Amino acid sequence: DVQVTQSPSALSASVGDRVTFTCRASQSINNLLAWYQQKPGKAPKLLIYKASTLESGVPSRFSGSGSGTEFTLTISSLQPDDFATYYCQQYNNYLWTFGQGTKVEIK
Amino acid sequence: QVQLQESGPGLVEPSETLSLTCAVSGYSITRGYYWGWIRQPPGRGLEWIGTIYHSGTTYYNMSLKSRVTIAVDTSKNQFSLRLSSVTAADTAVYYCARVGQWWYFDYWGQGTLVTVSS
Repeated sequence: DVQVTQSPSALSASVGDRVTFTCRASQSINNLLAWYQQKPGKAPKLLIYKASTLESGVPSRFSGSGSGTEFTLTISSLQPDDFATYYCQQYNNYLWTFGQGTKVEIK
Repeated sequence: QVQLQESGPGLVEPSETLSLTCAVSGYSITRGYYWGWIRQPPGRGLEWIGTIYHSGTTYYNMSLKSRVTIAVDTSKNQFSLRLSSVTAADTAVYYCARVGQWWYFDYWGQGTLVTVSS
């Protein structure tokens, strides 16, 4: 099975900061990587799919990049609504795996 | 608009079988796409449980495969999850979701908390 490792597990940031999270896969996953935002008590919300495609309705301050085994999610200017936990998810050969999550907290 | 809604008992006794149903509205399961179950223990991350196609083909997380059964009922436009021999470690919020074109989960249910306790 493909494993995914997210880093950092948590970070503190201020409104307006540029923040970047990383997701590393244990093998190449053909860019079949998605990013989700989850707030307490809510279902995850899809932000990015196919590594860099922005889901409809998601603000353009969110962007994804990467290929092969290393991927990043960037928030260009952190907004109050962005304080949440972010997960990456890979797909390979009919198996899905989520990363452990990165919690973004207010500094 | 695609909507999913989980339902089932909120409390299951240890060693028993957890059973949940996901009702889909706004989209016919028979039109295609895969449909999945994901869970999240309290305060922890997301874990994929398994996925099913409308034909009934299933794929399971290897760590749960021996205890999991996912089935589809196209006549009711719903799919289900059964997890046998549950322990406290199976206590979690269980989500159902649709698998989008590029193998991501695009539509999610609100989630249902299942507690394993006597």
